Amino acid sequence: KQEVTQIPAALSVPEGENLVLNCSFTDSAIYNLQWFRQDPGKGLTSLLLIQSSQREQTSGRLNASLDKSSGRSTLYIAASQPGDSATYLCAGPHLTAGNKLTFGGGTRVLVKP
Amino acid sequence: DAGVTQSPTHLIKTRGQQVTLRCSPKSGHDTVSWYQQALGQGPQFIFQYYEEEERQRGNFPDRFSGHQFPNYSSELNVNALLLGDSALYLCASSYILASNQETQYFGPGTRLLVL
Repeated sequence: KQEVTQIPAALSVPEGENLVLNCSFTDSAIYNLQWFRQDPGKGLTSLLLIQSSQREQTSGRLNASLDKSSGRSTLYIAASQPGDSATYLCAGPHLTAGNKLTFGGGTRVLVKP
Repeated sequence: DAGVTQSPTHLIKTRGQQVTLRCSPKSGHDTVSWYQQALGQGPQFIFQYYEEEERQRGNFPDRFSGHQFPNYSSELNVNALLLGDSALYLCASSYILASNQETQYFGPGTRLLVL
């Protein structure tokens, strides 16, 4: 059974600092690893999707890496802004589970002005 | 092009009642998945519908049931509501042939409060 863990559960940084969010998964047999953003009480917005054959994906200030052998993914957000305050979730569909997503518990980020 | 839509946005029910939540997938998508997200936790997979049939199911009791219509929209039904069913219910849509290479698109969710 796939288990996804995100550490830390919460993070508070001053504006301008780089953010590093960690995601670990127990089973490396995944199709891909996705990072989502969730604002309070809202749905999920996809940020980055890393295919299992890739090692990283970049979009603007966001960069996500994937190391299947160690069961880890890291989301980097450069030069954080108050608008980056949200909960960040990682999820991956297992190779034997179609596209059912198994989510981590999320990291709640607060960027202080 | 509208994304994934869900209705209602908020709902208050009492224990023992039944509730129906609705979801319309993104245009061009044929698969709908439902997730339950308790406060402060990540979403948990409930089930997925494709071609009007339940394709996969998570670890949820039979009180949770669903349906998919020919136009790909979907309903989630929960019977005999418990306090613990209070959560944000998220719907996600995808295209079956691309489902493992593309992200799923999530709706804004329905916030259910059971009193």
